[in-house]
Amino acid sequence: DAGVTQSPTHLIKTRGQHVTLRCSPISGHKSVSWYQQVLGQGPQFIFQYYEKEERGRGNFPDRFSARQFPNYSSELNVNALLLGDSALYLCASSPGGLPNEQYFGPGTRLTVT
Amino acid sequence: QKEVEQDPGPLSVPEGAIVSLNCTYSNSAFQYFMWYRQYSRKGPELLMYTYSSGNKEDGRFTAQVDKSSKYISLFIRDSQPSDSATYLCAMSPADSSYKLIFGSGTRLLVRP
Repeated sequence: DAGVTQSPTHLIKTRGQHVTLRCSPISGHKSVSWYQQVLGQGPQFIFQYYEKEERGRGNFPDRFSARQFPNYSSELNVNALLLGDSALYLCASSPGGLPNEQYFGPGTRLTVT
Repeated sequence: QKEVEQDPGPLSVPEGAIVSLNCTYSNSAFQYFMWYRQYSRKGPELLMYTYSSGNKEDGRFTAQVDKSSKYISLFIRDSQPSDSATYLCAMSPADSSYKLIFGSGTRLLVRP
């Protein structure tokens, strides 16, 4: 079975630009969560979506937004990029969103220059 | 103070050693306790989880939760060079948010 897929793998953006990251969950999983992992730190929770509804939001500014589509795939959007947004962005898929059943994708490495 | 504290290491051990990895936490509402393994430039891989207190064993891995001390551990027996990675503990309260709160990770190096 295919795992969680994320695209793109890497990208480089300039400060002030906008970026869209994509995630396809494991087949049959209805929940997607997004995390930001800065180098040397553990992942930090950004959003969780379940059945296309936002179920949780972490302590991130409104520049960060996300949505989940009818096929359960998801997009994370970040506006007005800052240097500090450089990180590995991880998507986690789960059947129902429970903490013990979250499976992570390989991540998208974003570099803001 | 962070909600979850984890020694960053690095921890270097010879092949075959028993490895002990630990996390402490401050939020008594945490009920789910997970351990993830992350290889360089990859996503975290779920190794084990425990709900509430107790021990859980899976092959060479044993997870322990001591809620009275707010302390969790992961033991790796007969460590292998392929176990070299960063180990992340993660926790979550049993509420509707279901978000995971991670430690900063411990880097483990198993020397052949």
